[in-house]
Amino acid sequence: DTAVSQTPKYLVTQMGNDKSIKCEQNLGHDTMYWYKQDSKKFLKIMFSYNNKELIINETVPNRFSPKSPDKAHLNLHINSLELGDSAVYFCASSQPARGGEKLFFGSGTQLSVL
Amino acid sequence: GENVEQHPSTLSVQEGDSAVIKCTYSDSASNYFPWYKQELGKRPQLIIDIRSNVGEKKDQRIAVTLNKTAKHFSLHITETQPEDSAVYFCAAKRDQAGTALIFGKGTTLSVSS
Repeated sequence: DTAVSQTPKYLVTQMGNDKSIKCEQNLGHDTMYWYKQDSKKFLKIMFSYNNKELIINETVPNRFSPKSPDKAHLNLHINSLELGDSAVYFCASSQPARGGEKLFFGSGTQLSVL
Repeated sequence: GENVEQHPSTLSVQEGDSAVIKCTYSDSASNYFPWYKQELGKRPQLIIDIRSNVGEKKDQRIAVTLNKTAKHFSLHITETQPEDSAVYFCAAKRDQAGTALIFGKGTTLSVSS
C-alpha cells in the first residue's frame, strides 16, 4: 500500500541510451512532480503535472520528456543519456487545492550513466 | 522565481546539544515553509511545516520559527540524538496553482554520542 511508488530503484546504463522511469501514486492527489537530486544532494524541481496537464517545466534539456497518462501516473523518459544525467530522480505528489502542500516522495531512482 | 538559501551546509553537535539551521527566501509571496529530513539512501520526509500566518510551531524536540518581515525561517532541534543525524532541507512555496516547493541546498547534521 505504498503511497508513491517508482520503478526501477536502480538504473545503470551507457551514454547515448534511452531510458524511462515510472511513477504511480494511490493517494488521489491531483499534482505530481519530478525532482532531481544531484551528487551534492541538491533537490531541484524539473516538472509538475496537475490532473495530466503540464504546469511546471523548469530549465530542463528537451531530452527529458514527462508523460502523464492519468492523474495517478507520471513517467519520465530520457533520450540520449549523458554522464551529467547521473543523479537520483524522485517522483512526488501533493494535493495543493485542499491546502495539502505536503509533498509525498517516492523512494527514488538512482540513475548511473557510464 | 523563488530562491532559498540554507546555512550551514554541515553541522556537527554532541548528543544532547541543540542544533539550529537557518534559511532565507526571496519571494515575499511565499507562505508555506516545510522542513524535510532525508536519511542516507532514503526519501525526504516532512518533519514539520509552518505557514505565514504563524510565527512559531513546535513538535516535541523540533520547532520552527518564521520571520516574514526578514524572510527568514529556522529549524531548532533540542536534545539531539544520534538518530537525528541526516540531511535537513528547508523549502518555500506560494499557495498558488502552478508553483512547486523550492528547496534549500540542505544541511548535513551529524550527532555524535
